[in-house]
Amino acid sequence: DIVMTQSPDSLAVSLGERATINCRSSQSILYRSNSKNYLAWYQQKPGQPPKLLIDWASGREFGVSDRFSASGSGTDFTLTISSLQAEDVAVYHCLQYYNTPWTFGQGTKVEIK
Amino acid sequence: EVQLLESGGGLGQPGGSLRLSCTASGFTFSTYVMTWIRQAPGKGLEWVSSILGSGGTTYYADSVKGRFTISRDNSKNTLFLQMNSLRVDDTATYYCAKYQIGSPAESWGQGTLVTVSS
Repeated sequence: DIVMTQSPDSLAVSLGERATINCRSSQSILYRSNSKNYLAWYQQKPGQPPKLLIDWASGREFGVSDRFSASGSGTDFTLTISSLQAEDVAVYHCLQYYNTPWTFGQGTKVEIK
Repeated sequence: EVQLLESGGGLGQPGGSLRLSCTASGFTFSTYVMTWIRQAPGKGLEWVSSILGSGGTTYYADSVKGRFTISRDNSKNTLFLQMNSLRVDDTATYYCAKYQIGSPAESWGQGTLVTVSS
C-alpha cells in the first residue's frame, strides 16, 4: 500500500498569513502515460464530511477560493493557503487515488494563532 | 443538487452485524463508482470499499475483507454495506461518496456513526 505522510500534524497561523501543508507519498503517484499526479486535497471542518478542494495535485475545484493553491509531482506535494481566514480553520487531508487501496495522510489541523 | 444520505448506524456488538445504506439523488447513480470511507473518532480517513457502477466489481480494504460486503441497487439509487463479525476497531463514522473511475471522491454524505461495544 502507498503510505501518505503529512507534515506538520498541526499548525497555527495568524489571520492573513500563509499556511503551508506538505504531503509525501511512499512511491510516485505520477501516472506517466497521462502525466497526471493522482493526488487530492480535502478540507474537513468540525462535524462535517470532507470537501474536495484540489484534484490532480493542482486543480482547484469549482467554487473553491483562490486562496487555496497546490503543487507538487511524483512523491512530494504542497497545499498553500495564501492568506488564512477564520473560515479556513479545519483539518486538511491528502489522498492518493493512484491505486487501490486509496490511502490518506493522517491530516493536518490548521488553527488561528 | 447531489445528495447522499447514510443510515443504519448505531450500536453493534462485537461479532455482530449491521447494515448501512446510502440513498443517492441528484445524479445518475448507475454511472458512478460508489465508495465507503470511514473515520474513527478523532482519527484520519480510511477507505473501506468501492463498487463499480454495474455492481459487478468490488474492492475492499484488507481490514474488512471477508467481513464486509458492499452492494448497490441501481433501481433504488441505494448503496449498501453489510458489516459482519464486527470488531471494536470498526467504530467510526462511515461516509458514502461517489466518484468517476480514475478520479477522487467528489461528493460525500454526512456520515453515519457505528459504535461497536459490548
